[in-house]
Amino acid sequence: EIVMTQSPATLSVSPGERATLSCRASQSVSSNLAWYQQKPGQAPRLLIYGASTRATGIPARFSGSGSGTEFTLTISSLQSEDFAVYYCQQYNNWPPALTFGGGTKVEIK
Amino acid sequence: QLQLQESGPGLVKPSETLSLTCTVSGGSISSSSYYWGWIRQPPGKGLEWIGSIYYSGSTYYNPSLKSRVTISVDTSKNQFSLKLSSVTAADTAVYYCARSPQLLWFGELLPAFFDYWGQGTLVTVSS
Repeated sequence: EIVMTQSPATLSVSPGERATLSCRASQSVSSNLAWYQQKPGQAPRLLIYGASTRATGIPARFSGSGSGTEFTLTISSLQSEDFAVYYCQQYNNWPPALTFGGGTKVEIK
Repeated sequence: QLQLQESGPGLVKPSETLSLTCTVSGGSISSSSYYWGWIRQPPGKGLEWIGSIYYSGSTYYNPSLKSRVTISVDTSKNQFSLKLSSVTAADTAVYYCARSPQLLWFGELLPAFFDYWGQGTLVTVSS
């Protein structure tokens, strides 16, 4: 099983500031990585797939980068609606064993 | 607009079988471009993939749950279903159904990420 590790567990950021979230895979997942945003009481929302492609309707302030084992989600200027939990997910193994990271909570500083 | 809706009992007794159905509207479950999956989230915890199914019936399961999981599809009703047997309190979670675009992997089409999700349904395992 590929283990996904996210850091930090909690990130305190002021509105308007940049947030940088990390996701590390226990072995290479190439660029087969997605990011999701989840707000309390809601289903996760797809933000990024293919490590860097924004999903439909996702604002340009969200960007993803990385390949192999190290990935980053950057929110360039945090808006009030961006305070949430963010998960990464890999989809790069056979047979498929899709795995998620433990999440990073972005909270208001 | 594609919509997914989970349905099923919110309370299941230990050792029994959890059964949920996901109804897809606004699109066809028989599309050749997608897998359909189940993901769960215990209260206050992270996400865990349970398994995915193609409209043809081809399935992939999380190895840690494989012995207890069955996912099936009913294309005539535009639904797919989850059965999880021998449940314990550790299976208490919000269960989500979701659509998964495919990844081409050495000639095989496999489930990838999840682009549309249901709202989720809480299933509690308790006597």
